[in-house]
Amino acid sequence: DAGVTQSPTHLIKTRGQQVTLRCSPKSGHDTVSWYQQALGQGPQFIFQYYEEEERQRGNFPDRFSGHQFPNYSSELNVNALLLGDSALYLCASSLEGRLLAEAFFGQGTRLTVV
Amino acid sequence: GQNIDQPTEMTATEGAIVQINCTYQTSGFNGLFWYQQHAGEAPTFLSYNVLDGLEEKGRFSSFLSRSKGYSYLLLKELQMKDSASYLCAVRSGPYVDKLSFGAGTTVTVRA
Repeated sequence: DAGVTQSPTHLIKTRGQQVTLRCSPKSGHDTVSWYQQALGQGPQFIFQYYEEEERQRGNFPDRFSGHQFPNYSSELNVNALLLGDSALYLCASSLEGRLLAEAFFGQGTRLTVV
Repeated sequence: GQNIDQPTEMTATEGAIVQINCTYQTSGFNGLFWYQQHAGEAPTFLSYNVLDGLEEKGRFSSFLSRSKGYSYLLLKELQMKDSASYLCAVRSGPYVDKLSFGAGTTVTVRA
C-alpha cells in the first residue's frame, strides 16, 4: 500500500504565479483534506473533498481552490501567489463514515514563494 | 472558533518520561488526536481519544478529560528518535478528518 502520495515534493514559485499541487489518497480512501503548515505552526485546515465536491472550507481566500477526480485523487490550486503562501502543504485522506478513523497524511509539498 | 494550547518546547533526558499537556476550547468535539512530526516530514498518528480516560500504546499513553478540555501525551523510556514535534489536534466534526491543530510541542531528547 503506497499510502498517501503528494507531488511535487518541493516547489519554488514567484509572487503572482499560480501553482497546482497533487494528492493521491491511500488505497480505499474516498475523502481528501488539504492543510497548510507554516514554519513553526500546526497545520491549518484549507478544505475537504468528498464525492468530487468541496464540502467544508477553512478560513482561506478564494485564491485557494481545489478539485477531486473520480478516482478520489485531488488537486490544490493557489492563484496570485503571495510570499505568505510559503508553507508545507499536506494532504490527508480518510474513509467517509469511519468515525474512529485516523487521517493519514502525505509527506507534503514544500512551497517556497520568492 | 477553535483554541488549542500546548507548550512550545520541552527537553528531557534519554530514558526519562515527558508529559505534554494540551488544553482546548472548541465548537464541538468528536475526539482528540496526537501526531508526531519530525522536521520536514508529514505528521504520523500516535493516538486517539474520544472518551475520558487513559489510552496506552506501548511507550506512548494519552489521557483525555472532556469536562476540563484537557489532554496529555505521556512518552516513557525516551529515546533519541523521539526528538520531534508533537501535535495535539481536535476533531470537531461532523466530518471524519477536519482537524484543528495546536502549534505543536518540540521535544528534545538529550543523552
